[in-house]
Amino acid sequence: EVQLVESGGGLVQPGGSLGLSCAATGFTFNTYWVGWVRQAPGKGLEWVANIKPDGSERQFVDSMRGRFSISRDNSKNSLFLHVNSLRVEDTALYYCARWGHPYAVDVWGQGTTVTVS
Amino acid sequence: QHVVTQEPSFSVSPGGTITLTCGLSSGSVSTENHPSWYQQTPGQAPRTLIYETSTRSSGVPDRFSGSISGNKAALTITGAQAEDESNFYCLLNSGAIFVFGTGTKVTVL
Repeated sequence: EVQLVESGGGLVQPGGSLGLSCAATGFTFNTYWVGWVRQAPGKGLEWVANIKPDGSERQFVDSMRGRFSISRDNSKNSLFLHVNSLRVEDTALYYCARWGHPYAVDVWGQGTTVTVS
Repeated sequence: QHVVTQEPSFSVSPGGTITLTCGLSSGSVSTENHPSWYQQTPGQAPRTLIYETSTRSSGVPDRFSGSISGNKAALTITGAQAEDESNFYCLLNSGAIFVFGTGTKVTVL
């Protein structure tokens, strides 16, 4: 079964940093773009970042470039998101996503919650 | 800064048909924006419905269809069912950027 499982969320103080992980199973991880989508409480979906199968290219929403970094370890079928200088407005459920369709997500994780307070 | 707009809410009767739209603040939506659509019920992860404007994702019922209508992307639900009551989001691509729409809450009653 294709699965994405996020971890690493929690409560962080403003200005702090946090690392999220996503473990992928059930598919050949190193052949897919993967990335992160977040959702603030009661709000809509917001694309955060994507990374190419070999890690050579990264795409970010402009407002997050600089504070957010995305990386992957294909030997461990894992995706990572590191966030610096956390702000209250970064509070959200962070979803790991496989971009298995052209320009679209086909598989979603269940999300990990980040609270900045 | 791209802003992708959707109707805030829509109501439909069971068995009825509705069309949700997805517009771009900077101009018209075309197939070059690779529109996709997602359904999300409260407390659940999103579910992918449509990609590349009109291709249904695996397992998606054929009552969901996507298109370009005028200068917007559109999602039509034909024969709405009670389980369709949820939030719907579109996603557009522009170069190396992806932007989700503001979302439409669909009520079936």
